[in-house]
Amino acid sequence: AQSVTQPDIHITVSEGASLELRCNYSYGATPYLFWYVQSPGQGLQLLLKYFSGDTLVQGIKGFEAEFKRSQSSFNLRKPSVHWSDAAEYFCAVGPSGGGADGLTFGKGTHLIIQP
Amino acid sequence: ETGVTQTPRHLVMGMTNKKSLKCEQHLGHNAMYWYKQSAKKPLELMFVYSLEERVENNSVPSRFSPECPNSSHLFLHLHTLQPEDSALYLCASSQEAPLLNTGELFFGEGSRLTVL
Repeated sequence: AQSVTQPDIHITVSEGASLELRCNYSYGATPYLFWYVQSPGQGLQLLLKYFSGDTLVQGIKGFEAEFKRSQSSFNLRKPSVHWSDAAEYFCAVGPSGGGADGLTFGKGTHLIIQP
Repeated sequence: ETGVTQTPRHLVMGMTNKKSLKCEQHLGHNAMYWYKQSAKKPLELMFVYSLEERVENNSVPSRFSPECPNSSHLFLHLHTLQPEDSALYLCASSQEAPLLNTGELFFGEGSRLTVL
């Protein structure tokens, strides 16, 4: 069965500093990988996704993520965070080539931005 | 205006009540989903509908009953719930299921349910 691990429950970063959120997945085939963000009181919004091709993908709000097959990782990065980036971040893995499932999500990483 | 609208945003109910959550998507999508979000747990997929036909039911207790009358509307009927059912219930839609193309889920803001 597929699974997603986000090892950091909380991360605190100073405004303007760089950010990396970790995500490891377990999946038998080539996965579809996603990062979603959830602001307080809101639903989830897609930041970026990886299906195939270039392993470094660019997303919205200045985020990027790199797919590393050898490490089963899909870490999210941002070179300089803004206070508005404070939110819950979810990594997710999806079926490739079949299945009616939705996505399997990690438990999320809560990002706190210090002034 | 969000593409996926959920009502009510907050609901408090007793264990003997019957209530329903409503979801409406304005995106022309063909698939709709119910997820449960509990504190400190991953999002749990509950139900998937594709073209109004249920295609996934992840061992959800029968006290949760979904209904999809058309591709734009999705309901979750609740009856005789337990306090552990208190959670944020998120509705989502996608262009189609399975997620072969864009793979993007569009979420509503959720319905916060409290069972007393």
